[in-house]
Order: sequence, then C-alpha cells, then structure tokens
Amino acid sequence: SAVISQKPSRDICQRGTSLTIQCQVDSQVTMMFWYRQQPGQSLTLIATANQGSEATYESGFVIDKFPISRPNLTFSTLTVSNMSPEDSSIYLCSVETGHSYEQYFGPGTRLTVT
Amino acid sequence: DAKTTQPNSMESNEEEPVHLPCNHSTISGTDYIHWYRQLPSQGPEYVIHGLTSNVNNRMASLAIAEDRKSSTLILHRATLRDAAVYYCIRNRGKLIFGQGTELSVKP
Repeated sequence: SAVISQKPSRDICQRGTSLTIQCQVDSQVTMMFWYRQQPGQSLTLIATANQGSEATYESGFVIDKFPISRPNLTFSTLTVSNMSPEDSSIYLCSVETGHSYEQYFGPGTRLTVT
Repeated sequence: DAKTTQPNSMESNEEEPVHLPCNHSTISGTDYIHWYRQLPSQGPEYVIHGLTSNVNNRMASLAIAEDRKSSTLILHRATLRDAAVYYCIRNRGKLIFGQGTELSVKP
C-alpha cells in the first residue's frame, strides 16, 4: 500500500483564476493518476502521470485546462486553469502499486469555484 | 469499453453476510477484476482483486465465475462502517469507474 497526501484539502476560488493541487506519496511509484468527482457522481479519470514523460489525458480533458507535472517518483501536481463554477469538484490523486494494478487514493481536494 | 454492471443499491442487516454482484460479460483474458469502496467524504479504498481464482483477504472475499463474466464481492459480516459505494472495475492498467452499488447497513 501507500500513504498519499494532498494539498490543499479544500479551497474556494474565484472564476478565471487557477489552482494547483499537490499530491505527495510516501514511496516511489511509477504510475500516478488524477481523477475528478463531481457532486453526487462517480470518479472520472483525468490523466495518467508517469515520471519523465508527458501526462496522458483522457477524452474530454486537455493539457491547457489541466496541466500536470510529475517531477519525481513521489510527487505530482494538477493545475485547474481558468476556473469556472463547472470545475467545482473533488480532485483526487492515486498511485498504482503491485503487479496487478491496485491503486491507492489520496483524501481529495474539494474545490468550489464562485 | 471497460463497462461493468452493478445494482444501484443494496441493503443489509448488521452482522449478516452481504453478496455484491457484478457483471462484466465482455471482460478480456488479461483484465483483472478489482473492487474498491468509497466511504462518505473519503477517497476510494482498495478492497480486493482477482484474475481467475477466488480470493480472500482481511476485508472481503471475491468469488469469480468460471467464465469470468461475473463476480461477487462477499462481506462476511457487515458492520455499520461497511456502508459505502462499492465499485467493481475491470482493470486494464487504469480504472474506469461506473456508478457502483450503494450499500446501506441497518443496525
């Protein structure tokens, strides 16, 4: 397993601004993922972030809106750019460990855009 | 398409076993079957996974059909803390979450 922390835990932001969310894991991992969970909904995968390469985005998500950094094997950031109220969600990071792809999730960042 | 089918909701009584079904009829031979759960106001929590054989761990058991087109997560004695949304996922290296089954546990 892995212990994952996220910062901030929550924030309220003005529309048009950007917020960077940090994800820190207590061990080196190759695969990190970013998800969004809109109110009352299930999780949606935004992108996969591998160290040393560009993030791979899922359909409907673009780098200009959700730039991701992965500078080393224990850390990643997700930026939500030019925010609108529709970006109000919980953003979660996860890491993959083990040979059969099990993932462990951070506690999430609750973002409210006004 | 990594679709699985689960009932929207289920109810259980405390200290009774719970069987949560999942249909994954289009699963390929290399897809793992993963189960996660999400307690209120928390991130998802890994529960168990399997490929072909039934699996047990401290949290639950996973029974996989011989043709792998369905599986059942078994909580042997439900507690109030098991009330959560349970997700069954075909894992191909990334998790595609469906709507899951919301389990409520009555005292």
